[in-house]
Amino acid sequence: AQSVTQPDIHITVSEGASLELRCNYSYGATPYLFWYVQSPGQGLQLLLKYFSGDTLVQGIKGFEAEFKRSQSSFNLRKPSVHWSDAAEYFCAVGEKNTGFQKLVFGTGTRLLVSP
Amino acid sequence: DAGVTQSPTHLIKTRGQHVTLRCSPISGHKSVSWYQQVLGQGPQFIFQYYEKEERGRGNFPDRFSARQFPNYSSELNVNALLLGDSALYLCASSWNDRYTGELFFGEGSRLTVL
Repeated sequence: AQSVTQPDIHITVSEGASLELRCNYSYGATPYLFWYVQSPGQGLQLLLKYFSGDTLVQGIKGFEAEFKRSQSSFNLRKPSVHWSDAAEYFCAVGEKNTGFQKLVFGTGTRLLVSP
Repeated sequence: DAGVTQSPTHLIKTRGQHVTLRCSPISGHKSVSWYQQVLGQGPQFIFQYYEKEERGRGNFPDRFSARQFPNYSSELNVNALLLGDSALYLCASSWNDRYTGELFFGEGSRLTVL
């Protein structure tokens, strides 16, 4: 069974500093990869996704992620964090060849932004 | 445009009771998926329905069931509630049943079982 590991439960970053959130997955082949953000009282919003091709993926709100097959990682980055980025971030993988959409999520990383 | 809407937003039940959660997808979306998010965890897949048929089911007991109506809205039913069923239940809609269709999530229904 595939799994997703987000090793950091909480991360605190100063406003304007850079950010990197870690994600590692376990899967037999290259899965579909996603990053979602969940703000308090809100549903999940897709930031970006990787299916194939260029391993550096650009998303919304200035986020990007890089797929590294050798490390089974899909880390999320942002060069300059804004206070509004404080939220919970989830990495997810999509199982291929199931005939339907099934996302397997990590446990999430809560981002705190200090002034 | 209206996003995915879920009702009720909060509810409290006691052990052994039954609950029905409702979801209205974005207009034009034919797929509805249900996820359970226990406090401190990531969402866990329960079901996907597409064109009123169950397309996939996660590792949940038979106490969990769902259906999709001709207007593509959906209900999630949970029987014989247990304390461990306390969670945020998220509904997501998509225009298709494949990963090419982005999932749009509602704000969820928070269920507390006492």
